[in-house]
Amino acid sequence: DTGVSQNPRHKITKRGQNVTFRCDPISEHNRLYWYRQTLGQGPEFLTYFQNEAQLEKSRLLSDRFSAERPKGSFSTLEIQRTEQGDSAMYLCASSLGAGGINEQFFGPGTRLTVL
Amino acid sequence: GDSVTQMEGPVTLSEEAFLTINCTYTATGYPSLFWYVQYPGEGLQLLLKATKADDKGSNKGFEATYRKETTSFHLEKGSVQVSDSAVYFCALSGGDYKLSFGAGTTVTVRA
Repeated sequence: DTGVSQNPRHKITKRGQNVTFRCDPISEHNRLYWYRQTLGQGPEFLTYFQNEAQLEKSRLLSDRFSAERPKGSFSTLEIQRTEQGDSAMYLCASSLGAGGINEQFFGPGTRLTVL
Repeated sequence: GDSVTQMEGPVTLSEEAFLTINCTYTATGYPSLFWYVQYPGEGLQLLLKATKADDKGSNKGFEATYRKETTSFHLEKGSVQVSDSAVYFCALSGGDYKLSFGAGTTVTVRA
């Protein structure tokens, strides 16, 4: 078990550019979550998938944000036309789902800096 | 909606001191409660959890008891070490599966 992995770990981009982040969950986990964490705050929920279905996306911050999980395995989070306010740590988590206590395991995060 | 309020930091302690971080929550139904820890330069790790009233979660000398009557889940450790220096987050998970986190409490333990 290699845990949740995220790539890249760091991304520096210029305002207006598009960026895409990848998350590989723990292999047997069917739920996958994206969160955003800004300095001095706790993670803020963005969206989640059960297998390939995106079951909650109303918390995505704007229509510039989108996420996919096409085959129910890895997921991507895309931010179009980045703004300086998008600078944050983007966290991915996965869980086994199917009831229970929904214990989520987090990846190391992708730190985005928008210049 | 669901929310978590935790004690503001930073908290600075000497080794072997007693640590308490207060956490209260607002939620409908019966959420699961968690403490996560973020060590310097590392990702979020689950520290302990509790799923129903009066459950006590424990790990690495830390404990927290799910108190429904006071809607609280305070974190305690009887004797902290320098290695406990980290940011601690209280979180809850309701019926919609997402985690709602508090703002985090930075703890620094001095030798």
